[in-house]
Amino acid sequence: EIVMTQSPATLSVSPGERATLSCRASQSVSSQLAWYQQRPGQAPRLLIYGASTRATDIPARFSGSGSETEFTLTISSLQSDDFAVYYCQQYNNWPRTFGQGTKVEIK
Amino acid sequence: QMQLVESGGGVVQPGKSLRLSCAASGFIFRTYGMHWVRQAPGKGLEWVAVIYYDGNKKIYADSVKGRFTISRDNSKNTLSLEMNSLRAEDTAVYYCATGNWYFDLWGRGTLVTVSS
Repeated sequence: EIVMTQSPATLSVSPGERATLSCRASQSVSSQLAWYQQRPGQAPRLLIYGASTRATDIPARFSGSGSETEFTLTISSLQSDDFAVYYCQQYNNWPRTFGQGTKVEIK
Repeated sequence: QMQLVESGGGVVQPGKSLRLSCAASGFIFRTYGMHWVRQAPGKGLEWVAVIYYDGNKKIYADSVKGRFTISRDNSKNTLSLEMNSLRAEDTAVYYCATGNWYFDLWGRGTLVTVSS
């Protein structure tokens, strides 16, 4: 199974600042990488697929990059709605696996 | 609009069974793979199982293999998860999600608590 490791576990950021989240795969997943946002008490929501393609209705301040084993999610200017937990997930192999999540909190 | 609604969660004793359902609407259900993903209280996401669009292929996480069975009824736009021999570690919110690769759309989840 492919192990996905996210860092940091918690990121403290002030509104309006940039947040950079990392995700590493234990073996290459090509560009078969998705990012999800989960707000408290809500279901996850797809943000990014194909490592860098924004899902429908996702604001341009969210961007993804990377390939093979190293990936990054960048939120260019944090809004109040963006304080949440973010998960990466690989879909190159079965079983599908998620990172443990990065919590973005208000500084 | 596109929607998934789970039902069937509740409190169940260890070793017992429970059946979850997911009702889909707003999209062509029969063309999409369907998944169950779970989240233990305060923990991260764990993929559980997938059933391909036509029901002919099913894949399970090792943690549930042999105990859980995923199925679908394309005539009724419904997805099911039959859970047998439940354990305390199966306690989680269970989400159904659609997608042939990643998970495009998620339901709001249904809570399963395994406790005596």
